[in-house]
Parts: sequence; structure tokens; C-alpha cells
Amino acid sequence: AQRVTQPEKLLSVFKGAPVELKCNYSYSGSPELFWYVQYSRQRLQLLLRHISRESIKGFTADLNKGETSFHLKKPFAQEEDSAMYYCALRRYTGRRALTFGSGTRLQVQP
Amino acid sequence: DVKVTQSSRYLVKRTGEKVFLECVQDMDHENMFWYRQDPGLGLRLIYFSYDVKMKEKGDIPEGYSVSREKKERFSLILESASTNQTSMYLCASSLKSGSGSYNEQFFGPGTRLTVL
Repeated sequence: AQRVTQPEKLLSVFKGAPVELKCNYSYSGSPELFWYVQYSRQRLQLLLRHISRESIKGFTADLNKGETSFHLKKPFAQEEDSAMYYCALRRYTGRRALTFGSGTRLQVQP
Repeated sequence: DVKVTQSSRYLVKRTGEKVFLECVQDMDHENMFWYRQDPGLGLRLIYFSYDVKMKEKGDIPEGYSVSREKKERFSLILESASTNQTSMYLCASSLKSGSGSYNEQFFGPGTRLTVL
């Protein structure tokens, strides 16, 4: 069975500081990895996916198969980045539903 | 713009009651999902459906059932509500995906259910 681990429940940084939200996964096959974000009083929404290798709102994430990690990074945090972030995995074959991590709350202080 | 709507934002029920949570999407998506969201546990999949009248158990189906009679509607049923089912329930939908492709899951606003 697959598993997604986000070791930090809360990450607090100052505006302008670098941010790294950690995500590790366990899955024997080839996974698809995603980051979802939920801003206060808003719906959960997709932030980025590893296959597109894109930067969204200044965030990037690289899939490291050797370390089974998919950490989310941003060089300079903004106050509007404060939100709940979830890492999620989807199997490449078989059941295609997402498996989510427990989430990390990012607080960016002024 | 994809719209996933859920019948109630807040719901309070008593132990033993039968509870229906409704989800409707307007983008002709084949896939629909029910999750529960709990602090420290993240989102956990309860049930999902790939087509009308089709359902599959997720990771925590115990105490729940689902119904999908029409493509746009996916209902979550708590046959006899219990206090440990107090939670935020999220519905999501996505297009059917084939191997090697991904279609984004779009989420509803959530229903916060309290069971007394």
C-alpha cells in the first residue's frame, strides 16, 4: 500500500525567508506526485504536479525517486502563501484515487 | 469553470440518525470521490465512483455507503451516525483518466458534520 508522510504539522517563517515543505512517500511502483493547497475559507485546489515540472506562484517541487521525496520549495515566502498544504500520491496503474499526507500548515509572518 | 457543490456547509445530527450528504458536479466528470478531512490525519478516501452505479471502497469505508444513480450526483450515506464520524467531508470530481494521464480533481467546499 502507498503512504505519504508530511513530518511537519506547522511551519512558521518570516516574509522573504525560504520555505521548504517536506513530503516523503512509500510506494513500490512509479507514482504521480502532487501538491494541493487550501487557503483560509477556500476550497482545496491543485498547486502543482511533478510531471509538468512547472513553477506555480513561485513554488517548485522535484521528485527525488532515490530519496522518495517530493519537497515543496519557494525561495522567498509571501504572507499570502499562508495556507494548509497537502502532498498527494497517485498510483500509475490500478487504483487511480489520491492518497494524501496529513498536511502542513504554513504561516508566513510579516 | 468547474463547479462542485455540496448540499450543506454545516450539519448537526444525533447519534443513530441516517445522514445523507449530497454532491453535484456540472462538468460531466466520470470520477467522483468522497473524503473526510481531520486535523493531523489529512484527507482519507471513503469511497469513489468511476461511473454511474459503480462504486469502490476507499481506505475507510466502514460505517458509510454511497449511491451514484446519475452521473452528476454522488451521495454519501451514514446509515447510523456515530460521534466518531464528526468531521469535514469533501467531495471531488475529475475526468476519467487513462494510464499515463492525469485529470485534476476539483473539490467542493466541504460539509462540516457534527454528530451529537
